[in-house]
Amino acid sequence: GAVVSQHPSWVICKSGTSVKIECRSLDFQATTMFWYRQFPKQSLMLMATSNEGSKATYEQGVEKDKFLINHASLTLSTLTVTSAHPEDSSFYICSARDSGRVWDGNTIYFGEGSWLTVV
Amino acid sequence: EDKVVQSPLSLVVHEGDTVTLNCSYEVTNFRSLLWYKQEKKAPTFLFMLTSSGIEKKSGRLSSILDKKELFSILNITATQTGDSAVYLCAGTNSGNTPLVFGKGTRLSVIA
Repeated sequence: GAVVSQHPSWVICKSGTSVKIECRSLDFQATTMFWYRQFPKQSLMLMATSNEGSKATYEQGVEKDKFLINHASLTLSTLTVTSAHPEDSSFYICSARDSGRVWDGNTIYFGEGSWLTVV
Repeated sequence: EDKVVQSPLSLVVHEGDTVTLNCSYEVTNFRSLLWYKQEKKAPTFLFMLTSSGIEKKSGRLSSILDKKELFSILNITATQTGDSAVYLCAGTNSGNTPLVFGKGTRLSVIA
């Protein structure tokens, strides 16, 4: 089946630094990727929709200057958490939509997520 | 605010039991409901439900959507230990974007 690789799986960074998370579709092209965040004991919440070659669309309440999304190719989207604070510590997970297939629910594939801890 | 609520949050059953997982939703411009199984990290797709009252089936799993009452159920019959996982449901909006997930139901099937 289709695979989405997310890296790193775990990352610890200091307050004030930036950290980049990568999301790659390994065997399909994805013009659209999605970034989610999950705080402990909470639901996965959509942060932004990443569109290849154009600006990401952010959900209400998500700071676009803090969570920089770049989707420079059909197989790679990156999320950069800038000036990280402890409150940004969370589980971040991406998903990618297979552009070559008609949407029927099973054409979105998830990465395995990244645990970010800001100390 | 869009939200999806799943119940129960956790469930322990014996092999062979039948379980029903619940999902209620409030999603603006709702289009479809998705069910996923999450065993380790990456959720894997189970069903997409768009129409009310039409059951979708895959082996021992089945699901149905009620758009009037804004809920869906996922049934698993003759459970096996391999069914142990977190089951997530998510609502999509008119753009077919998986918008918001429930907290999941953690199912444990014991031999």
